[in-house]
Amino acid sequence: GAVVSQHPSWVICKSGTSVKIECRSLDFQATTMFWYRQFPKQSLMLMATSNEGSKATYEQGVEKDKFLINHASLTLSTLTVTSAHPEDSSFYICSVSAGATYNEQFFGPGTRLTVL
Amino acid sequence: AQSVTQPDIHITVSEGASLELRCNYSYGATPYLFWYVQSPGQGLQLLLKYFSGDTLVQGIKGFEAEFKRSQSSFNLRKPSVHWSDAAEYFCAVGSQGAQKLVFGQGTRLTINP
Repeated sequence: GAVVSQHPSWVICKSGTSVKIECRSLDFQATTMFWYRQFPKQSLMLMATSNEGSKATYEQGVEKDKFLINHASLTLSTLTVTSAHPEDSSFYICSVSAGATYNEQFFGPGTRLTVL
Repeated sequence: AQSVTQPDIHITVSEGASLELRCNYSYGATPYLFWYVQSPGQGLQLLLKYFSGDTLVQGIKGFEAEFKRSQSSFNLRKPSVHWSDAAEYFCAVGSQGAQKLVFGQGTRLTINP
């Protein structure tokens, strides 16, 4: 399967600042990537679908102006949490789609965001 | 709409004992089914998947799962668990052409020595 990395693995920031999280597909050209958030002891919640060269598709209830997604190349998607607040503290995980035929996704190791 | 239910939030088994984690799905067409495992603070690793064909699928780390259409289930099994199997397990369902996955709530597995 595809190898996916995320950077940083953890970040602490002050309330009101913006944080950028990178998701890289190291050995696979990914036209589609996904961004999830996961609260402690809970399941993954899909935030948005990131498509290379086009605008991301956000799930209902996810603020697109707060969670900016850019998928400028086939190997890199970024998630920027703008004006972060403590309630944005969470574990953010990206995944790479292996294609629409089989739905398989390969996941990154996640980024722990803590907003003080 | 697709949905996935994992009835057991937390399961504890003794090392060497057998394991079965339950997963029920709701989907109108033939689903694509997955089991993922997540260690604390880590991403998800695919254990196994079912698309079509043989309803008993083998995965990594000695896991297997059986697709039962009549019961809308895709339970995960392992004949003998190891302490390293302690983790969170997620069942997920997808469909051809949709790309998105819907995840269950997860089952946390604890292993007693």
